[in-house]
Amino acid sequence: EILMTQSPATLSVSPGVRATLSCRASQSVSSKSAWYQQKPGQAPRLLIYDASTRATGIPARFSGSGSGTEFTLTISSLQPEDFAVYYCQQYANWPLTFGGGTKVEIK
Amino acid sequence: QVQLVQSGAEVKAPGVSLKVSCKASGYTFTAHFIHWVRQAPGQGLEWMGRINCKNGDTDYAQQFQGRVTMTRDTSINTAYMELNRLTSDDTVTYYCAREILVVGSTAYDMWGQGTLVTVSS
Repeated sequence: EILMTQSPATLSVSPGVRATLSCRASQSVSSKSAWYQQKPGQAPRLLIYDASTRATGIPARFSGSGSGTEFTLTISSLQPEDFAVYYCQQYANWPLTFGGGTKVEIK
Repeated sequence: QVQLVQSGAEVKAPGVSLKVSCKASGYTFTAHFIHWVRQAPGQGLEWMGRINCKNGDTDYAQQFQGRVTMTRDTSINTAYMELNRLTSDDTVTYYCAREILVVGSTAYDMWGQGTLVTVSS
């Protein structure tokens, strides 16, 4: 099973600031990774798939990068609605696995 | 409207079975896989398995093998997840999610609203 490790666990940032979230895979997953955003009481929402492709309707301030074992989600200028928990996922190998999440909170 | 609507919250006794439904609308049901993902309160996401809504083929996570069954009814565009021998560890929110229609990608572009299941005597 591929372990996905996210860091940091919590990121405290001010609105308007750039946020960088990291995800590391225990073995190479090529570009087969995705990022999701989850707000309290809601289902996750797909932001990025195939490491760097924005999903339909996702604002351009969200971008994904990386391949192999290191992945990054960047939010260029945090908006109030972006404070949430973010999860990475790999789908290169079964079983599909998720990272433990990064909570982005208001500083 | 393109959406997945799940059945409502349930309270179950230990040892019994659970069956959650996921009704799809607004798209061709048989064109996508449906996955089931669960989430314990305040915790991360755990993949349980998936079903090919066209032919009914399934793949299950090893930790649920023998205890989970995923089915679908194409006449009513609904997928089901049945979990047997419930324990308190199964007190989580269950989500169905639609696999994106992109070759080589198994990300989820649509999710149900979640079904909270409480296992308690």
